[in-house]
Formats: sequence, structure tokens, C-alpha cells
Amino acid sequence: GENVEQHPSTLSVQEGDSAVIKCTYSDSASNYFPWYKQELGKRPQLIIDIRSNVGEKKDQRIAVTLNKTAKHFSLHITETQPEDSAVYFCAAVLDRGSTLGRLYFGRGTQLTVWP
Amino acid sequence: DAGVIQSPRHEVTEMGQEVTLRCKPISGHDYLFWYRQTMMRGLELLIYFNNNVPIDDSGMPEDRFSAKMPNASFSTLKIQPSEPRDSAVYFCASTFGRNTEAFFGQGTRLTVV
Repeated sequence: GENVEQHPSTLSVQEGDSAVIKCTYSDSASNYFPWYKQELGKRPQLIIDIRSNVGEKKDQRIAVTLNKTAKHFSLHITETQPEDSAVYFCAAVLDRGSTLGRLYFGRGTQLTVWP
Repeated sequence: DAGVIQSPRHEVTEMGQEVTLRCKPISGHDYLFWYRQTMMRGLELLIYFNNNVPIDDSGMPEDRFSAKMPNASFSTLKIQPSEPRDSAVYFCASTFGRNTEAFFGQGTRLTVV
């Protein structure tokens, strides 16, 4: 089955700096890669996603890149702000096989942005 | 739509008791996922359904856990008997199709004493 690994588990940056979180996946049948942000005590919410036919996607200060050959994808946050502090999860969805549609999550990255 | 609705929000129970968690997905969504979240293990997928049919329950920890989806608008996760190590936040999420945004409920914080 799919295995999603996420690094680092914790990340501290100064306000205004960039933050990068990296994930790898094992199953080439994965074709959809969402990223979720979870603030303390709240539910995870989608911030950006990318599909396998796209190499990069950007939404204001957030961007995601995907390398299907190497089976890794990354989240980039530029000009970080204290309100970006949260746990970020990467995920992968299987697009074929008996567990079609299964949504796997990485272990999460606790991002802290210091003012 | 009010989003994914879970109940109860908090549950405190004694070891050995039966616990039932409930979830109402967003109307029209055909996938429903149950996750357990702890500091140690992150977001673990327990089971998921497609069109009310369980597709993969390999994440269910043991026979004490069971889940049902009797119709498109309701699912339950039952733990019987409960143990202190089951203490966690349990999330339900639903999607429309498989390569789309998952909407999470607010979660149920379960404490087994």
C-alpha cells in the first residue's frame, strides 16, 4: 500500500523567511496530492493541492511542486507570518487498485513562525 | 450545507464501556473517511467507505473497533470495550469523488479513564 513520509517534523523560522516541507510517496498509482493546515484545536483544512499532470502550482504565498519520477512533492511558504504557525500535513490519493480513493497522510510538520 | 457534522464533540467514558461516535457527511459526497489523531501517530486512517460500502478497514486497530454506514448521510464508529489507549481525537471526513478536497468534521475528543 501507499506510504507517505514527511520531513521535517518540526520547523522554526523567523517572520518573513521561507519555509519548505517535503514529502515522498511510494505508490506510483497516487495521482492527487493535497496539503492541509491544522491550527491548534481545529480540524485540518485544505490549503493547496496538485494533480499528477502538473509540476507546480502557486496560490499567493504558497506553492507546491511535484516530481512524479522521484515520487516527491514539496510545500513552499514565502514571506511567512506568525499566523502561518500550525501543523501542515501532506497527503496522497491512490487512483487505481483495490484501495482506490484511499487518502494517506504524512505525519505532519509543526511550523512555528517567530515574530 | 453545514459541513461534516460529528457528535459528540467530547466524550469521557470509563474503561470497558461502549463508545459510539457519529458522523454526517456533506450531502452528495460519496467517500467517507474515519481518522484517529494522536501526538504519537498523527492522522491514522481507520476505515473508509465509498457509496456506503467499506473499501479498506486495514487501519482498524483491532476487533474492538467497528464502523458502519447504513446510508449516505450517516456513519458510526463503535469501540467496545473501550481502553485508555483509545483516547484520541477522532475525525470524520467526506469527499465528492476521489481526487478532491476532503472536508473534515470538528472531531470527537475521546477520553477513556
